[in-house]
Amino acid sequence: SQTIHQWPATLVQPVGSPLSLECTVEGTSNPNLYWYRQAAGRGLQLLFYSVGIGQISSEVPQNLSASRPQDRQFILSSKKLLLSDSGFYLCAWSVDRGRDEQFFGPGTRLTVL
Amino acid sequence: RKEVEQDPGPFNVPEGATVAFNCTYSNSASQSFFWYRQDCRKEPKLLMSVYSSGNEDGRFTAQLNRASQYISLLIRDSKLSDSATYLCVVNPRTGGFKTIFGAGTRLFVKA
Repeated sequence: SQTIHQWPATLVQPVGSPLSLECTVEGTSNPNLYWYRQAAGRGLQLLFYSVGIGQISSEVPQNLSASRPQDRQFILSSKKLLLSDSGFYLCAWSVDRGRDEQFFGPGTRLTVL
Repeated sequence: RKEVEQDPGPFNVPEGATVAFNCTYSNSASQSFFWYRQDCRKEPKLLMSVYSSGNEDGRFTAQLNRASQYISLLIRDSKLSDSATYLCVVNPRTGGFKTIFGAGTRLFVKA
């Protein structure tokens, strides 16, 4: 069966510091991968999605970037965090076979102080 | 108009009650529809897909009304464990990536 891992689970970072969140998927090949952010009491906002290694699409202009160095690895980064970057970051995957269900990792709760 | 709109609630119901949530979407060409459940401070989990003919999974029934552009979720015989936020999810096209998540409807089931 497929599993998705994210780490760290919780992170507190000062404004202006860098960020690196990692997501890995097991049990599937060539998944579509997604990064979402959920602000407190808000819906999920799609940040990036990837259909393959090195292929990244950005949905929202921001100071975040994403990379996919391996088929089942998706990384979210920032060079300098802003207070507004605080939120719950979720990685998700879906299969590329005409089915659209997305499956989420446990998330990283980021607080920028 | 938001692309996907849900009543934020909260819905407070007693155990055993039947509760229904509606969700409207703005893109008439939308192809795929889902309900997810999200527990407090946890990730969303797929509850069920919504098919044109409607579908049922135990105590949960999902319906799609394309003409009026809304989907619904009915929960019968509510359990305490049903307390969660229910997210309506719409994908504009099959195989597309820009899935739109509603902000969710909060449900509290009380003994």
